[in-house]
Amino acid sequence: GQQLNQSPQSMFIQEGEDVSMNCTSSSIFNTWLWYKQDPGEGPVLLIALYKAGELTSNGRLTAQFGITRKDSFLNISASIPSDVGIYFCAGPDGGGADGLTFGKGTHLIIQP
Amino acid sequence: EPEVTQTPSHQVTQMGQEVILRCVPISNHLYFYWYRQILGQKVEFLVSFYNNEISEKSEIFDDQFSVERPDGSNFTLKIRSTKLEDSAMYFCASSVPTTPSSYNEQFFGPGTRLTVL
Repeated sequence: GQQLNQSPQSMFIQEGEDVSMNCTSSSIFNTWLWYKQDPGEGPVLLIALYKAGELTSNGRLTAQFGITRKDSFLNISASIPSDVGIYFCAGPDGGGADGLTFGKGTHLIIQP
Repeated sequence: EPEVTQTPSHQVTQMGQEVILRCVPISNHLYFYWYRQILGQKVEFLVSFYNNEISEKSEIFDDQFSVERPDGSNFTLKIRSTKLEDSAMYFCASSVPTTPSSYNEQFFGPGTRLTVL
């Protein structure tokens, strides 16, 4: 099946710093989704991207759908303590109501 | 705000026993999903369900697994004879296509932690 590669695997940053993480695939995705997961909870949808080149914001979060359809990035500006968690990129396996393929996640840790 | 709910939050069972995990999807949603996440690993797709039938399943979803929508609100995952390696968080998700593409915007429940001893 399709695989999504996320980097970095983890990030240690100071509060207030900007964060950038990305996701790549060897095959084309028609949709990119970014989720955040807090410990012991389910993934929460942050941003959905549907068009190549699309840039979408949600508060301090900005995500872009790569032109090649094989990558996406997520930026977080002015990080705050509640941004701590694991960020996953995900995309549908194919057409229709298919399951999502998830990346392995980027673990964001904010140092006081 | 509507949300997906799951019960129980934690299920402990003996190897070989049957378990049923329950989910109540968001009320106007039409597509339903089960995923699992082994501790420390990524979320993995198990099965999708639409119009009272399975629409897609992964290699993980073998004959030990089944899903059912017994009434208008519940969506269940049954594992017939649990194995040690079934220990994981199981997440239910649902979606509704408000636009031709938005069926992919899946909303996840808080999960059920299954521990098989």
